[in-house]
Amino acid sequence: GDSVTQMEGPVTLSEEAFLTINCTYTATGYPSLFWYVQYPGEGLQLLLKATKADDKGSNKGFEATYRKETTSFHLEKGSVQVSDSAVYFCALRDSNYQLIWGAGTKLIIKP
Amino acid sequence: NAGVTQTPKFQVLKTGQSMTLQCAQDMNHNSMYWYRQDPGMGLRLIYYSASEGTTDKGEVPNGYNVSRLNKREFSLRLESAAPSQTSVYFCASSTRNGRMYEQYFGPGTRLTVT
Repeated sequence: GDSVTQMEGPVTLSEEAFLTINCTYTATGYPSLFWYVQYPGEGLQLLLKATKADDKGSNKGFEATYRKETTSFHLEKGSVQVSDSAVYFCALRDSNYQLIWGAGTKLIIKP
Repeated sequence: NAGVTQTPKFQVLKTGQSMTLQCAQDMNHNSMYWYRQDPGMGLRLIYYSASEGTTDKGEVPNGYNVSRLNKREFSLRLESAAPSQTSVYFCASSTRNGRMYEQYFGPGTRLTVT
């Protein structure tokens, strides 16, 4: 079945560092791909999405490109801030409109 | 427009007690979902309701029941709580809008079973 694999955390960076959180997927067809973010004590919220190969999703300085050839959707940000500390989830939408989730990656940004 | 609301925010139960978690959405979405979130395991789908009047099991339905009361409300019931059900529970809703599909989440219910 479909699956999503994310890099394990926590990922600890200093403020203004470059961020990459890896996400790869296994799926039949060409699913839509998502990154969700969960700030401490809150529910999940959509960060960005991409619906077809080579699409780039972007929001709040974060970007991710849908790479069909490597079945990847890595999350990147050029300069992280303390306020970016959160848990990030990669997900894909399967053919039944269900979201298949990665395990989440905790990001800690130190001032 | 409150989005997705959940009650209660926190709950402590003793083993064997029952309770119902409430969820409501005001976005006129057709589909609603219940997830549990445990450390290191991401989100696991308990039950979902693709549309009013239908419910289906997800990945981890044992020990739970659901009711889709109307288009707005989707409740989750624990009939006899067990310590293994200690978790954070999230309700979500979505509209099946082709490839622009997105799920909207409530703030969660933190449940502890002792």
